[in-house]
Amino acid sequence: DGGITQSPKYLFRKEGQNVTLSCEQNLNHDAMYWYRQDPGQGLRLIYYSQIVNDFQKGDIAEGYSVSREKKESFPLTVTSAQKNPTAFYLCASSIDLADRGQGGYTFGSGTRLTVV
Amino acid sequence: AQKVTQAQTEISVVEKEDVTLDCVYETRDTTYYLFWYKQPPSGELVFLIRRNSFDEQNEISGRYSWNFQKSTSSFNFTITASQVVDSAVYFCALSEAHNYGQNFVFGPGTRLSVLP
Repeated sequence: DGGITQSPKYLFRKEGQNVTLSCEQNLNHDAMYWYRQDPGQGLRLIYYSQIVNDFQKGDIAEGYSVSREKKESFPLTVTSAQKNPTAFYLCASSIDLADRGQGGYTFGSGTRLTVV
Repeated sequence: AQKVTQAQTEISVVEKEDVTLDCVYETRDTTYYLFWYKQPPSGELVFLIRRNSFDEQNEISGRYSWNFQKSTSSFNFTITASQVVDSAVYFCALSEAHNYGQNFVFGPGTRLSVLP
């Protein structure tokens, strides 16, 4: 079955450490996205990528970095520069950016990051 | 700029009650799409419905119905005869068509608890 796999489901990080969240899709989608979810704030876009080797900042990119070396993979690194990294992180994909605009998202099941 | 408001942070109902989730949006575009997504405890967002700005017909799908009113910029979601499996966070979202999906915003979400 096609879908998006996010790993790990739960992640604990010590303050000052970088951590990388994995996102893999086998849907042959060109576009991929990272969202951050905090209680009462909905989903906020961190980064998105329309095609391999290209990515764009979203609304809250500070303290995060991404790469898109393969079509299937879009890992997110939460750096020590992110002041408040504890949150739920969702990865998503769509055929292309225009498809997202018509609701063509597929979401992963998320990674809950806790800074200890 | 576009905005989506879901004024109800949390709602609790008893099984078999009807419940309406409110969504109010703001946009300057004349062409846009509205969405509802469900986020069950497993974490992934599940697409429920898309409505474009030119189609104000109400829609019914089983126990779910949606009421779109441009005059009040609202796109409300009603669950009839609620069930425990309806317990989830529900997000309303807006996409402006002119930017080919680059403007996609989620509301803050409403957490629905259906008690047995």
